[in-house]
Amino acid sequence: GQQVMQIPQYQHVQEGEDFTTYCNSSTTLSNIQWYKQRPGGHPVFLIQLVKSGEVKKQKRLTFQFGEAKKNSSLHITATQTTDVGTYFCAGRDSGGGADGLTFGKGTHLIIQP
Amino acid sequence: EAGVTQSPTHLIKTRGQQVTLRCSPISGHTSVYWYQQALGLGLQFLLWYDEGEERNRGNFPPRFSGRQFPNYSSELNVNALELEDSALYLCASSFVNTQYFGPGTRLTVL
Repeated sequence: GQQVMQIPQYQHVQEGEDFTTYCNSSTTLSNIQWYKQRPGGHPVFLIQLVKSGEVKKQKRLTFQFGEAKKNSSLHITATQTTDVGTYFCAGRDSGGGADGLTFGKGTHLIIQP
Repeated sequence: EAGVTQSPTHLIKTRGQQVTLRCSPISGHTSVYWYQQALGLGLQFLLWYDEGEERNRGNFPPRFSGRQFPNYSSELNVNALELEDSALYLCASSFVNTQYFGPGTRLTVL
């Protein structure tokens, strides 16, 4: 079945530094979504990418979808303490069939002030 | 607009017992997904219900089951609880491919 790998599992940064998490799928995706889960909270939808090579920005966050639609990245510029949490990517297989996103295990972002 | 709601918030059970978790989707959403989030294992897909029918299930044993009611609310049932079932159980409802998560039910099995 489809597998979605995310690296790194943990990332410690100093406040103000940049942060990047990478997501790789074993199969071609129809779309990829990113979610953020604050400590003690539940995942909250951030964005969806659909097109090959697509790049979207949300303030300090930049999301990319690879040309082959098998990988994606989330980059945060100049991290702030409010960015703390776990970032999940979730992919939907392009091969059709049953619905259901496959989530990566997430990258835990820890920020040191 | 009210978000996805789940009950109870926390639950403590012992091995072998049975548990029922409840989820109410956002009004107008017909799809409900259940996920298990155990420590260090990320989000594991459990079940997907749409229009009252089970559409897909993840790689979990049959003692994990559920149903969706005519009002689109859903229940997740877990029989013969095992220690490793301790986790946060998240429900999400879906609209145009986006999943909206509830706050979860924290299940502890002793």
